[in-house]
Amino acid sequence: DTGVSQDPRHKITKRGQNVTFRCDPISEHNRLYWYRQTLGQGPEFLTYFQNEAQLEKSRLLSDRFSAERPKGSFSTLEIQRTEQGDSAMYLCASSFGVETQYFGPGTRLLVL
Amino acid sequence: QKEVEQNSGPLSVPEGAIASLNCTYSDRGSQSFFWYRQYSGKSPELIMSIYSNGDKEDGRFTAQLNKASQYVSLLIRDSQPSDSATYLCAVNRGAKINNDMRFGAGTRLTVKP
Repeated sequence: DTGVSQDPRHKITKRGQNVTFRCDPISEHNRLYWYRQTLGQGPEFLTYFQNEAQLEKSRLLSDRFSAERPKGSFSTLEIQRTEQGDSAMYLCASSFGVETQYFGPGTRLLVL
Repeated sequence: QKEVEQNSGPLSVPEGAIASLNCTYSDRGSQSFFWYRQYSGKSPELIMSIYSNGDKEDGRFTAQLNKASQYVSLLIRDSQPSDSATYLCAVNRGAKINNDMRFGAGTRLTVKP
């Protein structure tokens, strides 16, 4: 499968715990995006990378959220001290430049 | 005013009919427009992209763009039950070097056999 992959697909955690998600983009894509989606809403932009550089962060991305893309390939999104309001689907997408974004299957997070 | 607005639906059409999905956006500087389909519990998948005014057809799907009216639509001809999903309109507001993609909340479409 040469599409965008995400791991894990599901995560249940207790409030206050830290969680980390991984995204592997389509191999030739230089841009990687993170979105969050809650029930009944469209994806909300969180942050994006061009190669290893994080070029933009939404104000939705609080200090508890951090994302990295150390070698310009896969990316990780970490949420520290999770809160119940963090429960959502976390989507990763990739693109080549400003071309179309292709989404991964998402990681569904439930914070108890 | 939301940046990208869609009727939440549900929109229900009989099998074989034309489904018409609408989207308006607020930023006149928007440059590229996308329709994604999202099945329940799944991630969005791209159906169509459109960049210039007019119609763009791909199989049973036609995207229409009117920048003066800040309006994008998606027509699905010969609707099938498998088309039942939420359709997300996405608008990229930014210049070529930036990412500024905004999504609508989606319209839920049900195609009844």
